[in-house]
Amino acid sequence: DTGVSQDPRHKITKRGQNVTFRCDPISEHNRLYWYRQTLGQGPEFLTYFQNEAQLEKSRLLSDRFSAERPKGSFSTLEIQRTEQGDSAMYLCASSPRDIATDTQYFGPGTRLTVL
Amino acid sequence: GQQLNQSPQSMFIQEGEDVSMNCTSSSIFNTWLWYKQDPGEGPVLLIALYKAGELTSNGRLTAQFGITRKDSFLNISASIPSDVGIYFCAGPPFRGDDKIIFGKGTRLHILP
Repeated sequence: DTGVSQDPRHKITKRGQNVTFRCDPISEHNRLYWYRQTLGQGPEFLTYFQNEAQLEKSRLLSDRFSAERPKGSFSTLEIQRTEQGDSAMYLCASSPRDIATDTQYFGPGTRLTVL
Repeated sequence: GQQLNQSPQSMFIQEGEDVSMNCTSSSIFNTWLWYKQDPGEGPVLLIALYKAGELTSNGRLTAQFGITRKDSFLNISASIPSDVGIYFCAGPPFRGDDKIIFGKGTRLHILP
């Protein structure tokens, strides 16, 4: 069990560019979550998947954000036309069962800086 | 929406001291979670609490689920340098909810 992995760990981009992050959950975990964390704050929920189905999206997830989990394994989070306010740590978590708030395992995050 | 308020925001202590921090909510929570986050890493679950009044330990860490269901406490005994980090309380805002909301954290510093 290698844990949740995220790639890249750091991303610096210019305003207006598109970026894509990848999350590989723990093997056979059917739930995958995306959170965003800004400086001095706790993580905030963005969206989650059960297998390949996206079941809930936060109001924080504007139209510029899209997440996919095409085969129910890894997931990608894309941000189009990045803005400086998108600068944050993007965290991915996975869990092995349906209602599993106590067993969400977090990855190390992708830190995005928008210049 | 529901919010979790953590206090203190930061603490400066000497190695070997005990630490206490708490988390309050304006509404009832049915599960309380305590996470620790090291710099540049994701949060790691320390303790999960499921019943009012429950007291649970994990090594030198002890957490309690408040009787009112609107608060929780985390204590660390005999702090060591590796305890440095940010401690978050968290929980599902509604029973059966699949997402977690987090407090803003308590940042623990240990003075040399």
